[in-house]
Amino acid sequence: DAGVTQSPTHLIKTRGQQVTLRCSPISGHKSVSWYQQVLGQGPQFIFQYYEKEERGRGNFPDRFSARQFPNYSSELNVNALLLGDSALYLCASSPGGVENIQYFGAGTRLSVL
Amino acid sequence: AQKITQTQPGMFVQEKEAVTLDCTYDTSDPSYGLFWYKQPSSGEMIFLIYQGSYDQQNATEGRYSLNFQKARKSANLVISASQLGDSAMYFCAMRDLTGGGNKLTFGTGTQLKVEL
Repeated sequence: DAGVTQSPTHLIKTRGQQVTLRCSPISGHKSVSWYQQVLGQGPQFIFQYYEKEERGRGNFPDRFSARQFPNYSSELNVNALLLGDSALYLCASSPGGVENIQYFGAGTRLSVL
Repeated sequence: AQKITQTQPGMFVQEKEAVTLDCTYDTSDPSYGLFWYKQPSSGEMIFLIYQGSYDQQNATEGRYSLNFQKARKSANLVISASQLGDSAMYFCAMRDLTGGGNKLTFGTGTQLKVEL
């Protein structure tokens, strides 16, 4: 079975540009979450979507937005990129339930120059 | 607020030896879940093991076991018979339901290096 897939794997942008990152969850998983991981730190929660509705949002500016599609795939958009947005962006899907284990993709490495 | 503390920035272990990675947590929720993930240099976060706060027994998954001490609020990961492929960053995380959503709060990680 396919795991969580993310695209693109690497991305280079310049300050002020906009970027869209994509995520396909594990088949059957209805929840998708996005995390930002800056070098040397643990991942920080950005968004969670479940059944196409936003269920949670982390402490990130409004430049960050996301959505989930009817097939449960998701996009993360970041506008007006700053140098500090350079990070590994991880997508995770989960099946729900008591344990609700989150399974991560390989991430998108974003470099903002 | 939920908090995860990993006090070991780096650890070395010899191949075939066991190693313990420390994790302490802080929460006011009576029900919570604790997770360990492995992150190789490629970047993917690989789920290793889960412990629920009401689970009576310590979780085990192959060579991984979780030493759960509820009163001390610790959830240490034990890797038995270390292999070279275990060299990676290891993160302890807790399920966090505060502020909406079902998210993970991560620690700062421990870099494990397995040596011959």
